[in-house]
Amino acid sequence: GAVVSQHPSRVICKSGTSVKIECRSLDFQATTMFWYRQFPKKSLMLMATSNEGSKATYEQGVEKDKFLINHASLTLSTLTVTSAHPEDSSFYICSARPGTSGRGEQFFGPGTRLTVL
Amino acid sequence: SQQGEEDPQALSIQEGENATMNCSYKTSINNLQWYRQNSGRGLVHLILIRSNEREKHSGRLRVTLDTSKKSSSLLITASRAADTASYFCATSQTAGNQFYFGTGTSLTVIP
Repeated sequence: GAVVSQHPSRVICKSGTSVKIECRSLDFQATTMFWYRQFPKKSLMLMATSNEGSKATYEQGVEKDKFLINHASLTLSTLTVTSAHPEDSSFYICSARPGTSGRGEQFFGPGTRLTVL
Repeated sequence: SQQGEEDPQALSIQEGENATMNCSYKTSINNLQWYRQNSGRGLVHLILIRSNEREKHSGRLRVTLDTSKKSSSLLITASRAADTASYFCATSQTAGNQFYFGTGTSLTVIP
């Protein structure tokens, strides 16, 4: 099956710093990628939809200036948490949809655990 | 919020028993998918059912979909300790577009 990787898998940072998380589709081209966050023992909340070469579409309540998304190529999307604070600590998961897939499949990355001290 | 709801929130059963989880959603959908997640890990896709389908099987998994009631169920038969995980349903209004996840069911299978 299609593989999606995320880097880093775990990051600890100080409050006020920015953190970049990468999401890569390893063996397919992804015209669309999605970013989710998940709090402990909670469900995944869709944050934004990232389309290659265009601006991301953010879900209601998600600060676009706080969570910067860049989808510069068909295999890479990045999420930058700017000026991170402890409340941004969460599990961030991306998914990627193959450009040729008409079946609605999405493939999920393994997630990145962010801890802001 | 377009997030669906699942019940029960937590389920504990003995190995060998069947486990049933239910998912309700709010809007019309193109498809509904079920995922499992082991603690602190990524998601594993289990099964996809389209809005024009009523039932699907995959190994020990059986999924039903009732679009009139906006609900779906996931049945795991002959459960195993390795089935212990959280299970989420996710709906998509159009093929290939955003997923909205349900609240999840935490399943514990006791050996």
